[in-house]
Amino acid sequence: QKEVEQDPGPLSVPEGAIVSLNCTYSNSAFQYFMWYRQYSRKGPELLMYTYSSGNKEDGRFTAQVDKSSKYISLFIRDSQPSDSATYLCAMSTGGFKTIFGAGTRLFVKA
Amino acid sequence: ETGVTQTPRHLVMGMTNKKSLKCEQHLGHNAMYWYKQSAKKPLELMFVYSLEERVENNSVPSRFSPECPNSSHLFLHLHTLQPEDSALYLCASRANLGGTDTQYFGPGTRLTVL
Repeated sequence: QKEVEQDPGPLSVPEGAIVSLNCTYSNSAFQYFMWYRQYSRKGPELLMYTYSSGNKEDGRFTAQVDKSSKYISLFIRDSQPSDSATYLCAMSTGGFKTIFGAGTRLFVKA
Repeated sequence: ETGVTQTPRHLVMGMTNKKSLKCEQHLGHNAMYWYKQSAKKPLELMFVYSLEERVENNSVPSRFSPECPNSSHLFLHLHTLQPEDSALYLCASRANLGGTDTQYFGPGTRLTVL
């Protein structure tokens, strides 16, 4: 079983749609949860960072962590063509290793 | 720009060549990472350096040889690579190992091994 599972997509939505991206994980010791966005020909950039369970909102983006279900989500409201990218979930126990999902490729059509 | 630069951005090499990838961070961070990113696979951690000391070698073949001469620079020396080594090689830096610090990535070097 992989430590982190993420559907690679691609996911294609119309502009203005609400996008839901998800990851499941198996290691209950994970405490730090991150979402990275990676545009084509660029490195990943940190989008959202959450410690332990709960929700975090930043503009059109909301990150949710459900530790009881070992499930994390990223919601994008009012999606824009500029949101088209690969979204990587990542998590850590607090040590120097971060475990990444394979990434979900998102296309937002104008 | 994240403050982490990588050169070259693209590299094509034969299996008998020797080349080096360079990473430089301008963030004053103490830890630097090399990752391999292949299509539809999670980022694979290769090496971790903290204050110029290697703290992790994630079972990487010896044809990849890292070097960290100071906390701002990280190299990945390549020799006798295989076609399956073709991938995007990402460098990242972090203020310190562990804790709440997050990683900042460079743009990557797209490597093709013929």
